[in-house]
Amino acid sequence: NAGVTQTPKFRILKIGQSMTLQCTQDMNHNYMYWYRQDPGMGLKLIYYSVGAGITDKGEVPNGYNVSRSTTEDFPLRLELAAPSQTSVYFCASRLGQGNEKLFFGSGTQLSVL
Amino acid sequence: AQRVTQPEKLLSVFKGAPVELKCNYSYSGSPELFWYVQYSRQRLQLLLRHISRESIKGFTADLNKGETSFHLKKPFAQEEDSAMYYCALSGGDDMRFGAGTRLTVKP
Repeated sequence: NAGVTQTPKFRILKIGQSMTLQCTQDMNHNYMYWYRQDPGMGLKLIYYSVGAGITDKGEVPNGYNVSRSTTEDFPLRLELAAPSQTSVYFCASRLGQGNEKLFFGSGTQLSVL
Repeated sequence: AQRVTQPEKLLSVFKGAPVELKCNYSYSGSPELFWYVQYSRQRLQLLLRHISRESIKGFTADLNKGETSFHLKKPFAQEEDSAMYYCALSGGDDMRFGAGTRLTVKP
């Protein structure tokens, strides 16, 4: 049982480049999330989705885009990478809202130079 | 808007000492609160949630609606408790996290 899978694990981008962080889950979870983790700042919610075709902004959506065409996949797109987007990115999913727990991926460490 | 505050970025205790990691929240509705933990080289994982009212690895947390707090406690810390701890609040569809507290348990 793979759970939540993120690719790539590491990536270095040049300023202005674009890339997509992939996230897939095999637990048939409706809810999926993208967070960024910065030292001393905790996890900040970028975007989330409550089902295929539905996405919503979190706390820090600027500079990112998402799509949810299937239940399994929730890719995060960076269009014009900036140094401020250097961070560790986590994808997570859960079955429903409220007191349902999150299952996390292993993270993507991104550096923008 | 919901907000989670963890006032201590770093906390260091000796093995066998009690430990308390503080968490305060701000939310207008009825919150669902969680503690997540990230051990070195492992994924973030759920430690406990207030709805379950359970003790996991000796940790407990009580929701105090009057003080809007959900502090995490353990009477006797162990070295293997050293990790990053995050308090989180779900106000419905989303889940917001605090800044985290890095706990170090010294031998």
